[in-house]
Amino acid sequence: GQQVMQIPQYQHVQEGEDFTTYCNSSTTLSNIQWYKQRPGGHPVFLIQLVKSGEVKKQKRLTFQFGEAKKNSSLHITATQTTDVGTYFCAGRGNYQLIWGAGTKLIIKP
Amino acid sequence: SQTIHQWPATLVQPVGSPLSLECTVEGTSNPNLYWYRQAAGRGLQLLFYSVGIGQISSEVPQNLSASRPQDRQFILSSKKLLLSDSGFYLCAWSVLLGDTEAFFGQGTRLTVV
Repeated sequence: GQQVMQIPQYQHVQEGEDFTTYCNSSTTLSNIQWYKQRPGGHPVFLIQLVKSGEVKKQKRLTFQFGEAKKNSSLHITATQTTDVGTYFCAGRGNYQLIWGAGTKLIIKP
Repeated sequence: SQTIHQWPATLVQPVGSPLSLECTVEGTSNPNLYWYRQAAGRGLQLLFYSVGIGQISSEVPQNLSASRPQDRQFILSSKKLLLSDSGFYLCAWSVLLGDTEAFFGQGTRLTVV
């Protein structure tokens, strides 16, 4: 079946360092969505990418959708404590969203 | 504006007991509704989705069931809970199936003991 692999599972960074998470699909996706889940909370929608090669920015966050629409990435520049949480990608397969396992961003004390 | 309500927030149930989790959406009509489960530190597993009243699609065979008795009401049930049913249950809705953002409820943390 369709799968979306997301890596890494965890990323420990010092505050101020950058963070990147990657998603790869076994099949072409119609779109890809990104969500953030704070500890103990529920996923909150960040953005949706639809076009091949699309790049979108939200302040320090940069989202990319690959040319083949099979991979995507989220890059956070100069992480802050408010960025802590788990970031999920979710790609639209045949008729449903297929979720990655998430990347947990941990700020080192 | 649209809101989604899910309750209870936490639940501790003994093995073999029944389960009923309720989710309601306000401010929209004919939403697509979803039930997800999230094991501790893991991703989201889609359990059920519904495109309309009485229409339920199951993604994972298990001892859980779902019902949609009204347009904006989605219920997750079990006749007999298992230890493996413990987890964080999330209800969500979207306008289009997979093409628009999903809005999640606050979640129910279920512990089966």
